[in-house]
Amino acid sequence: GAVVSQHPSRVICKSGTSVKIECRSLDFQATTMFWYRQFPKQSLMLMATSNEGSKATYEQGVEKDKFLINHASLTLSTLTVTSAHPEDSSFYICSASEGSSYNEQFFGPGTRLTVL
Amino acid sequence: AQSVTQLGSHVSVSEGALVLLRCNYSSSVPPYLFWYVQYPNQGLQLLLKYTTGATLVKGINGFEAEFKKSETSFHLTKPSAHMSDAAEYFCAVIRNSGNTPLVFGKGTRLSVIA
Repeated sequence: GAVVSQHPSRVICKSGTSVKIECRSLDFQATTMFWYRQFPKQSLMLMATSNEGSKATYEQGVEKDKFLINHASLTLSTLTVTSAHPEDSSFYICSASEGSSYNEQFFGPGTRLTVL
Repeated sequence: AQSVTQLGSHVSVSEGALVLLRCNYSSSVPPYLFWYVQYPNQGLQLLLKYTTGATLVKGINGFEAEFKKSETSFHLTKPSAHMSDAAEYFCAVIRNSGNTPLVFGKGTRLSVIA
């Protein structure tokens, strides 16, 4: 099956710094990538939808200036958490799919962010 | 708006017993429905999906689910639980037609007792 990777798998940073998380589709071209956030013992909440070459579409309540998403190529999307605060600590998961009509989403393994 | 409701945040079964995890959906369009499993500190693994066609869907690891439109349900079952089935399970529905994100239920934690 299709493989999606995320890097790093874990990151610890100081409050006020920025952290970049990469999401890569390894063996297919991902026209669309989705970024989800998961708090401990909770479900996944969609943060934004990212289409290659265009601006990301953010969900209501998600600060676009704080969570910068770039989908510069068909295999890479990045999420940058700017000026991180402890409340940004969470598990971030990306998924990727190809095409414009429905295609299965393939999930990355997730990135655990801890902000001190 | 599309949504899913998972009944029971925690289900506990004995090893070898039937597993039944419940999911009801609400959708204004023909639903595409999914079950995912998540092990601690890991991403999601697709167990099975229903898009069109046969309403009884077989997935990996012996799991299956039946789409029942009249009951707006998509319950997940496995005849005999194994210790390795202990994990978090999420039911999800596609938000709209086309290549759109998933809407997840709150999840059900399955414990398997030896």
